[in-house]
Amino acid sequence: AQKVTQAQTEISVVEKEDVTLDCVYETRDTTYYLFWYKQPPSGELVFLIRRNSFDEQNEISGRYSWNFQKSTSSFNFTITASQVVDSAVYFCALRPLYNQGGKLIFGQGTELSVKP
Amino acid sequence: DTGVSQDPRHKITKRGQNVTFRCDPISEHNRLYWYRQTLGQGPEFLTYFQNEAQLEKSRLLSDRFSAERPKGSFSTLEIQRTEQGDSAMYLCASSPEEWGPNYNEQFFGPGTRLTVL
Repeated sequence: AQKVTQAQTEISVVEKEDVTLDCVYETRDTTYYLFWYKQPPSGELVFLIRRNSFDEQNEISGRYSWNFQKSTSSFNFTITASQVVDSAVYFCALRPLYNQGGKLIFGQGTELSVKP
Repeated sequence: DTGVSQDPRHKITKRGQNVTFRCDPISEHNRLYWYRQTLGQGPEFLTYFQNEAQLEKSRLLSDRFSAERPKGSFSTLEIQRTEQGDSAMYLCASSPEEWGPNYNEQFFGPGTRLTVL
């Protein structure tokens, strides 16, 4: 079975705090892709990052960083020095490589609220 | 470069009515996907097209749902005899040719929010 779990339903932080959003996935495939998307109040999903299963290097992009650990099937997302504009729902998603359709399997999402 | 567009953005209908949504993907994208998102949940896959061919349908897509992409460009999603349980955000996404440099990345539209009274 393919499944993505985001156990944190809601997180609230004060501006400038660091925050980590957890993502745990299940798949029997040995090759797959993981994604993070951001959904602001406007509703449109915004792509943040793609990571393939054979590349476990962590990645940093500005205030965003991602920690991929295949051993624990986790792909966590950290925002450093959070800002009010980071307030949104964040989704982690899985795509097995050999899934011909390319459909994404999403987690339930984590709603992040950054207060000034 | 324009992104994925969807029309209408909001639709309110009475139970039993038929509704149709439209999605215009990014012009050079061969693949087009439909997802449904209910309140507090992540998007769930409904169906996808490779050019004009509908290649996969989820079990979520009951007989009342039909999707088309007649010329491999825009797509429509029709729901017949709507039910209150159909109330959701319907998202469309497109992606480039599988083997291109940006393969696997799906670009999402703003969605159509359906409310069935």
